[in-house]
Formats: sequence, C-alpha cells, structure tokens
Amino acid sequence: DAGITQSPRYKITETGRQVTLMCHQTWSHSYMFWYRQDLGHGLRLIYYSAAADITDKGEVPDGYVVSRSKTENFPLTLESATRSQTSVYFCASTVGGVRDEQYFGPGTRLTVT
Amino acid sequence: AQKITQTQPGMFVQEKEAVTLDCTYDTSDPSYGLFWYKQPSSGEMIFLIYQGSYDQQNATEGRYSLNFQKARKSANLVISASQLGDSAMYFCAMREGQDMGRRALTFGSGTRLQVQP
Repeated sequence: DAGITQSPRYKITETGRQVTLMCHQTWSHSYMFWYRQDLGHGLRLIYYSAAADITDKGEVPDGYVVSRSKTENFPLTLESATRSQTSVYFCASTVGGVRDEQYFGPGTRLTVT
Repeated sequence: AQKITQTQPGMFVQEKEAVTLDCTYDTSDPSYGLFWYKQPSSGEMIFLIYQGSYDQQNATEGRYSLNFQKARKSANLVISASQLGDSAMYFCAMREGQDMGRRALTFGSGTRLQVQP
C-alpha cells in the first residue's frame, strides 16, 4: 500500500513486557518521527530520524528505543512497558524542504495493563 | 512556557457559518513555520495549511485560511462555510528554524470543533 502504515493498530500488553510498534512508508522520505498523543497534551515527539542509521531523541524519549536500518522502516520499541506509556502512537514522515508538512500514519492505540 | 497555546478546548458553530480557531505561539527564532492539522473521530492526522514566518500573505487552502499576525504571535485558523464533516479536533503546530535539522513539530493541545446542523 502506498503511504505510511503502522502496525498493529491496537495492542494490549502487560507491564514489563517488551513491545514493538512498526512504521513503514513508501515515499522514501528522509525524515521520520514518532509522537505520542495523550489527552490534554496534543502530540509530543518521542524520537526522530533524519535518515537511515541517524536517530535522535525528542521531548519524551525515556523508556523507548528506535532503529532505522532501512529508509522506509522506523520501528519503536518499548523495552519494558509501563502504564504511563498507555497512549496513541503516531508515526510521521516528511521529505524535507521549506514547507515539509508531515504525513501521519493512522496511529497505534497501545494499552498497558 | 508553552510554545503553542490553543485556548479554546471546544467550539460550536452552525453549519454554513465561519469559525475561527485560535492559536498563539512563542518563539525567539526569526525563522519558523506554522501548521494546522485536523483529527477527525477516526483518529488520523490530516494536514490542512502552512504559514511560513517570512510569508508576506496569509495562507489559504480552499475553505481554510490562516490569519497570521506576526507581531501578536498568533496564527488563527479560519474555516469558512462550515460543514458537518468539519467536526473534528484541530491542532496548531510549529517548527522552529533551530529545529530544521530534525524538522520536528511542537503541537498545541487542540480545539474540538463541533458543527451543528
């Protein structure tokens, strides 16, 4: 499918488990992002990547790990899930440039019990 | 300090009327970009409109326009001729020039717009 996809769309996991959220884009965009959306906070940046093998922390990176071995994939791993990581997670990408609006995936709703 | 402030948690508008959603921002960077996104109940984030800090004219995209007042640091979204499908959450976001390396956006907390028939 063309565009940006995320999987799974819904996930329930237990505290302490490791979970990986997948993100795939077909545009060959250089930049990719992970945001989390919590009520009252809008979206907050977790990690971003400017290119394959280049990643860096955003505003709320603690407890998360990312990798980007291929341009099109940007997985987000919660190493040991906590209840505070219950959220909706959005992946986004942009080609860069002056305007470079970000294109978002459909989101993954994660519940940590 | 909040970088993006949306002071209206919820708004109501009658169908076919215009509505303004407020957004103020805080930055000391002379180069920045302002964005509005729509999030319907289905959850996806949809890009609506962009305004660059050096743009001389207010941005317009169809029924969406951005009322950019640089001195007041406001970037209000105006939706003309509201439709029922405009009912959604609306987010204002900013990318500062110093963030060009990572191109990340800072989002406000959003305004929920409900269009009434």
